[in-house]
Amino acid sequence: EVQLVESGGGLVQPGRSLKLSCAASGFTFSNYYMAWVRQAPKKGLEWVATISTSGSRTYYPDSVKGRFTISRDNAKSSLYLQMNSLKSEDTATYYCARSSGSFAYWGQGTLVTVSS
Amino acid sequence: DIQMTQSPSFLSASVGDRVTINCKASQNINKYLDWYQQKLGEAPKLLIYNTNSLHTGIPSRFSGSGSGTDFTLTISSLQPEDVATYFCLQHNSGNTFGAGTKLELK
Repeated sequence: EVQLVESGGGLVQPGRSLKLSCAASGFTFSNYYMAWVRQAPKKGLEWVATISTSGSRTYYPDSVKGRFTISRDNAKSSLYLQMNSLKSEDTATYYCARSSGSFAYWGQGTLVTVSS
Repeated sequence: DIQMTQSPSFLSASVGDRVTINCKASQNINKYLDWYQQKLGEAPKLLIYNTNSLHTGIPSRFSGSGSGTDFTLTISSLQPEDVATYFCLQHNSGNTFGAGTKLELK
């Protein structure tokens, strides 16, 4: 069974940094692209980042480019999202997802609140 | 960037009704359109990928159609457990979600 478990969320002040993690199991992690998707409270979904199988290619929307960095450790079956210079509008539940173009499997999410 | 316009925003229907939800892309996205279901307090779940392919374990009352810029999700006979918000996603160029359709029982 595919399982994705996010961690690392919490309350952080504007301008500070936070690193999210996602532990994967139930599939061969190194064979799949992975992604982060976020959802602001009572809002829609927004794609945040995607990383290739080896980690050599990464993709971001303009809203987070230059502030967020996606990475992975295939030996640990783990995905990461380093978030710097956080803003109030980054407040959201962050989901990791297995990607094959489509987001076939999702974790339960971790809540990040950016507030002073 | 590709914009996705989803309609309606809200839908009320009765058990057994045929329900349709639409998404329109701002440019041609070929077949690369998915549909996701999100129940209250849960993570989204993939229903349909690449316009019309049913994801593993999804009931056959869900179907997708369309091409190019116009796409439709159809629930052939609405069940109580289908109450949720539905999102479309284009992944032809980057990834853009529709704003969502909240489906409730009448």
